Amino acid sequence: DAGITQSPRHKVTETGTPVTLRCHQTENHRYMYWYRQDPGHGLRLIHYSYGVKDTDKGEVSDGYSVSRSKTEDFLLTLESATSSQTSVYFCATQDRANTEAFFGQGTRLTVV
Amino acid sequence: QQQVKQSPQSLIVQKGGISIINCAYENTAFDYFPWYQQFPGKGPALLIAIRPDVSEKKEGRFTISFNKSAKQFSLHIMDSQPGDSATYFCAAFRGGFQKLVFGTGTRLLVSP
Repeated sequence: DAGITQSPRHKVTETGTPVTLRCHQTENHRYMYWYRQDPGHGLRLIHYSYGVKDTDKGEVSDGYSVSRSKTEDFLLTLESATSSQTSVYFCATQDRANTEAFFGQGTRLTVV
Repeated sequence: QQQVKQSPQSLIVQKGGISIINCAYENTAFDYFPWYQQFPGKGPALLIAIRPDVSEKKEGRFTISFNKSAKQFSLHIMDSQPGDSATYFCAAFRGGFQKLVFGTGTRLLVSP
């Protein structure tokens, strides 16, 4: 497996609280992605990064922000968690365009 | 809006049969089309990928057929095995914008 670590792996939080998910890679890959996986919707892109401090929005970015201050770390923040953000979140990395993307093990987030 | 449409949502195939999953896209700027396989509790992993200048790519029992004019591509799994039971995602990558987007997924069950 590529060196991608997501933390935490599981989290339960209350509505309205801020939450930060971390993706750490040891592969020195340029591109990093955050997806959420929900039944019937597949994997939906939240935000992505094409370099340090270079990020852009995906399909479902409302309510989420990201930061990438180092090549190896990509943080996803839910500013004020809502029940609709209960999901499994996956981080992925990619070395170059049009090459294999490697996924982390996922973070299961429950907002109650 | 779903940029890559995938069907069927679920599929049951007998052992030894052929599994076929279809995807369609609208954006002709996509230039890389991978398929990912996901087992329960795991992140997706690359299965096979194709570029639009090729009409077919085969790796073992897995074949991608690509129809550029119809903007469709499909995954064929020959001699399907129970170990192939998983969720399959088609995806498309848009170089220049560095966005990797996924279909909604197909849950495949291969019966013994």
